[in-house]
Amino acid sequence: GAGVSQSPSNKVTEKGKDVELRCDPISGHTALYWYRQSLGQGLEFLIYFQGNSAPDKSGLPSDRFSAERTGGSVSTLTIQRTQQEDSAVYLCASSLGVGGRAETQYFGPGTRLLVL
Amino acid sequence: AQSVTQPDIHITVSEGASLELRCNYSYGATPYLFWYVQSPGQGLQLLLKYFSGDTLVQGIKGFEAEFKRSQSSFNLRKPSVHWSDAAEYFCAVGPRSNDYKLSFGAGTTVTVRA
Repeated sequence: GAGVSQSPSNKVTEKGKDVELRCDPISGHTALYWYRQSLGQGLEFLIYFQGNSAPDKSGLPSDRFSAERTGGSVSTLTIQRTQQEDSAVYLCASSLGVGGRAETQYFGPGTRLLVL
Repeated sequence: AQSVTQPDIHITVSEGASLELRCNYSYGATPYLFWYVQSPGQGLQLLLKYFSGDTLVQGIKGFEAEFKRSQSSFNLRKPSVHWSDAAEYFCAVGPRSNDYKLSFGAGTTVTVRA
C-alpha cells in the first residue's frame, strides 16, 4: 500500500513569503506528526494530530508556524513570513493512533525548504 | 525529560566488516526504542524497534539491536556491511504515555569503503 507522501518535495522561496507544506498520511492512520530536520538542530518534533485535533503543539518554534488537518487525513503545515533559519527538511509521519505508546511512526520523504 | 545520545557522529567501515552504532538514552520509565535509517535525499525508514520482551531485536536488512537496561543502551549491529548500508542512522526513544513524539539522537553517518 501507499506510504506517507509529502508535497512539494523541494521548495525554494524568498524571505518573507508564506509557504504551505502538505502531508498525506497512510490510509487509516489517525495520528499524524510533523518534525523538522535541520543542520545543527537534528530532528525536532513540531506538532502532533490525533484525528483533526492537535493535542500537542509544543514544538512549533514560533507563531509564524501553524498546522491544520482536515477530514482526519491530509495535513498542511504553514510557515508565514519565512526566515532563512526556517530552511530545513520538514518530515511528516503517521501512525495508527489507536492508543497506547507502542506505535510505530512511518515517515514520508520530506519537503526540503530553502529560504533565500 | 527523555533524551538520546549517539556518541559517534561519523563511522567509516570497510565493506564486509562488522558495524556497531552506539545509542544511549535517558528516560524515566521503561523506554520504547527505535532505530531508523535515512539514505541521502530520503525519508526515515524503520530498521527495528524494542517495546518489551526479548532484549535482542532483529530488524530489516540484517540489522539487530540489543537493549541493555543496566547500561541504558540500545546499540545497533550488523555482522557484514554492504555498500548500500551507507546512510545516516538515528536512534529514537518514546513516546511517553501522554506524549506521542519521538526524541531522536543526533544521528551517525556511516561511510562504507570498498
